[in-house]
Amino acid sequence: QKEVEQNSGPLSVPEGAIASLNCTYSDRVSQSFFWYRQYSGKSPELIMSIYSNGDKEDGRFTAQLNKASQYVSLLIRDSQPSDSATYLCAVMKNNNDMRFGAGTRLTVKP
Amino acid sequence: SQTIHQWPATLVQPVGSPLSLECTVEGTSNPNLYWYRQAAGRGLQLLFYSVGIGQISSEVPQNLSASRPQDRQFILSSKKLLLSDSGFYLCAWTPLQETQYFGPGTRLLVL
Repeated sequence: QKEVEQNSGPLSVPEGAIASLNCTYSDRVSQSFFWYRQYSGKSPELIMSIYSNGDKEDGRFTAQLNKASQYVSLLIRDSQPSDSATYLCAVMKNNNDMRFGAGTRLTVKP
Repeated sequence: SQTIHQWPATLVQPVGSPLSLECTVEGTSNPNLYWYRQAAGRGLQLLFYSVGIGQISSEVPQNLSASRPQDRQFILSSKKLLLSDSGFYLCAWTPLQETQYFGPGTRLLVL
């Protein structure tokens, strides 16, 4: 079992729709959770972090964390073509140990 | 504000040749530094991390090595490249107890 699992996609949504990206992790001691966006040929950039159970909203992005289910998700509302990218889920167990999922490729069609 | 640099941006090297990739961070002191590799269409593989000058931890045994000669400088090296070393090499840094921030990356093609 991979430590951090994501559906590789591709996930295709129409412009204006909600994109839902999911991630599960295996280590219950994980404390911090992050979503990165990676455009093709570019390095990952941090878009959301979440540390406690529940929802965290930032603009069109909402991160959801359920530690009991070992599940973290990212919702993108009013999806735009510029949101088309690969989204990486990352889980931090301690300051030196961050594990990444393989990423979900999202395509937003105009 | 903090800035992380990597060079070169792209590199094409023959099999068996040496490698040196450099990463520097500005605007902070004593950062934790990381080297990752991302193969085409795959996730990030942690190669090395460093918590201070001269302190290197290796995650994956292979023909690569890392050094940290200065507080804000992290170098990835190889004496002899393999075809399988091709990939996108990313340097990252972290403020204490926070997430990791990535540099622009070096795309390496070994032929």
